[in-house]
Amino acid sequence: NAGVMQNPRHLVRRRGQEARLRCSPMKGHSHVYWYRQLPEEGLKFMVYLQKENIIDESGMPKERFSAEFPKEGPSILRIQQVVRGDSAAYFCASSPRTGGNQETQYFGPGTRLLVL
Amino acid sequence: SQQGEEDPQALSIQEGENATMNCSYKTSINNLQWYRQNSGRGLVHLILIRSNEREKHSGRLRVTLDTSKKSSSLLITASRAADTASYFCATDEGSTLGRLYFGRGTQLTVWP
Repeated sequence: NAGVMQNPRHLVRRRGQEARLRCSPMKGHSHVYWYRQLPEEGLKFMVYLQKENIIDESGMPKERFSAEFPKEGPSILRIQQVVRGDSAAYFCASSPRTGGNQETQYFGPGTRLLVL
Repeated sequence: SQQGEEDPQALSIQEGENATMNCSYKTSINNLQWYRQNSGRGLVHLILIRSNEREKHSGRLRVTLDTSKKSSSLLITASRAADTASYFCATDEGSTLGRLYFGRGTQLTVWP
């Protein structure tokens, strides 16, 4: 049973470009969470999605950031018109069908975004 | 806002010694989780302890939870060089919506 997959592992973008980060949850998991980690800091929650639904996006900036988890395919975190402050590690986590935080979230290896 | 706060920020010990890391939080919780992160890698789940539990063990790991003091501790016994990593506590702030709140972590270095 493969773990949570994220790609790319490293992404370099120039200011103003778009960044697309992908996350494939563990098999059988229908709940996906995205977190951002700045250097020397803990993870900050961004968004929680189930298949085709955004459950909680209270941690995601209102502008330039969007997330989706379609019926088929991976979850996508999209950052438009990236700025240097977007440089961070972005982690995806998944949990089984009951969801919520009453159970373990399994994390992927992360995508490290560098904005030049 | 940061919910869990780990203490100390950094801990350096010799192999074979025990390592104790503490976590304090501010609000009521349903459960508290501890994760490990090796440098440049993702997080690995270690233990989840529910608010009605006081202590939990997993191999060389022992976690305690004191809800009256809003604190938790992670003890790693007989540490090994491979235990070198950052350790984070995460809480749910009493919500069932799914989001976890992480502290800044404790950087543990175990010298061979």
